[in-house]
Amino acid sequence: EDQVTQSPEALRLQEGESSSLNCSYTVSGLRGLFWYRQDPGKGPEFLFTLYSAGEEKEKERLKATLTKKESFLHITAPKPEDSATYLCAVQISGANSKLTFGKGITLSVRP
Amino acid sequence: GAVVSQHPSWVICKSGTSVKIECRSLDFQATTMFWYRQFPKQSLMLMATSNEGSKATYEQGVEKDKFLINHASLTLSTLTVTSAHPEDSSFYICSARGRLGDTQYFGPGTRLTVL
Repeated sequence: EDQVTQSPEALRLQEGESSSLNCSYTVSGLRGLFWYRQDPGKGPEFLFTLYSAGEEKEKERLKATLTKKESFLHITAPKPEDSATYLCAVQISGANSKLTFGKGITLSVRP
Repeated sequence: GAVVSQHPSWVICKSGTSVKIECRSLDFQATTMFWYRQFPKQSLMLMATSNEGSKATYEQGVEKDKFLINHASLTLSTLTVTSAHPEDSSFYICSARGRLGDTQYFGPGTRLTVL
């Protein structure tokens, strides 16, 4: 069975304290792995797509990496405005393009 | 680019009434649209997938007759919750995917409260 697990469930950081969010997956064939950010009461905002092991993508203080078993979202010197829930989702090869989401990681950054 | 809108952003209705939610892709053609619901502090649960001009494909456990989905054009999909009951209260979110690429772009969501 295809599974996506995100850890930790919640993470509290001090402003400037870098950390990483983990997304591990067990799927029959990975077509793509997606990271989204969701603020309370809003829809998810697209961050990154990763397709193959070793791939990395960066955007401001965020960097996403991918291995054959997991993905990391590294947050460098976070600011309070980075506080949100970060969702990881996988798309399976040969599927009808639907995404399977993890439960999300709620990040709080204290000033 | 890749902006998706939803209307209304929130709705309150009485039990037994029907509610329609619109999802529009504003700056791209959405060949596939998806409808999700999300309960508090939980992740997104896919309800159905619709391709323009085709019948929607519903996920297991989702009632087709209760959640009617229409994808009549490349920029508009609608979700109608028929005979809504309090247990249908939730946050409904649509997403859209264009002809090229795999990325789904999400709308801002619609908060439905059924009294």
